[in-house]
Amino acid sequence: DQQVKQNSPSLSVQEGRISILNCDYTNSMFDYFLWYKKYPAEGPTFLISISSIKDKNEDGRFTVFLNKSAKHLSLHIVPSQPGDSAVYFCAKPVTGNQFYFGTGTSLTVIP
Amino acid sequence: ETGVTQSPTHLIKTRGQQVTLRCSSQSGHNTVSWYQQALGQGPQFIFQYYREEENGRGNFPPRFSGLQFPNYSSELNVNALELDDSALYLCASSSGTSYNSPLHFGNGTRLTVT
Repeated sequence: DQQVKQNSPSLSVQEGRISILNCDYTNSMFDYFLWYKKYPAEGPTFLISISSIKDKNEDGRFTVFLNKSAKHLSLHIVPSQPGDSAVYFCAKPVTGNQFYFGTGTSLTVIP
Repeated sequence: ETGVTQSPTHLIKTRGQQVTLRCSSQSGHNTVSWYQQALGQGPQFIFQYYREEENGRGNFPPRFSGLQFPNYSSELNVNALELDDSALYLCASSSGTSYNSPLHFGNGTRLTVT
C-alpha cells in the first residue's frame, strides 16, 4: 500500500540549475504533505510542507507545488547547491503526525 | 536546546537475541515516534508514544515493543531478532501529535542482525 510514491531513485543536477523532485500519492484523508532531507549518518530533517488550501508553498530556494487533480507534488530547488546533495523524502500523515514516507530520491548536485 | 539523541549508534546482534534501543527526546517534546528504515527504503512507522501511552502502531509484529518514561525519553525493544530486522532505527520527537507538529529525528541506531 504505497500511499506516496517517488519514482526516481536518483537525480543529478549541475550547480546553479533547478532540481525538481517528484512525488505521487493515493487518496489521502489529510491533504497535507511534507518533504524531509536526509544526509548520510544523520536523521531526516524537516524541509517544507504544503496543505490543500494552497497549491504552492515557498521557503527561500525551496518551493513545493501541489496538484490535487493529478495527486502529484513536486519540490523545486533553485538554484541548486552542492550542499543540497542528500536524499529527499516526501511524506504524508496516516493519522496525526504518524507519517508515511516515500522511498526517497537521492539528489547529487555537481559543482 | 538539546536535540534528539539515540544510543547506541551501531549494534550487532545474532538472530534470536533481544535488543533495546534508547532515545532522548528534544527538550519540551512530549511525543516520541519510532521508525525503521531498511536499505533503499523510506522510514517506516513502528509506533508512537504520547505522554507515556502508545498512541498508534504501524504494521509491525508484537515482538516490537516500546516504552516512554516520565521524562519523555523512550525505548524500543525487539525480541527474537530476525535477519530482516537489520535496518536503521530512527527516533523522532515532537511537541504533540497533530499532523502539523513536525518530527525532529535523531541520527538513528544502525542494527545489524547476523
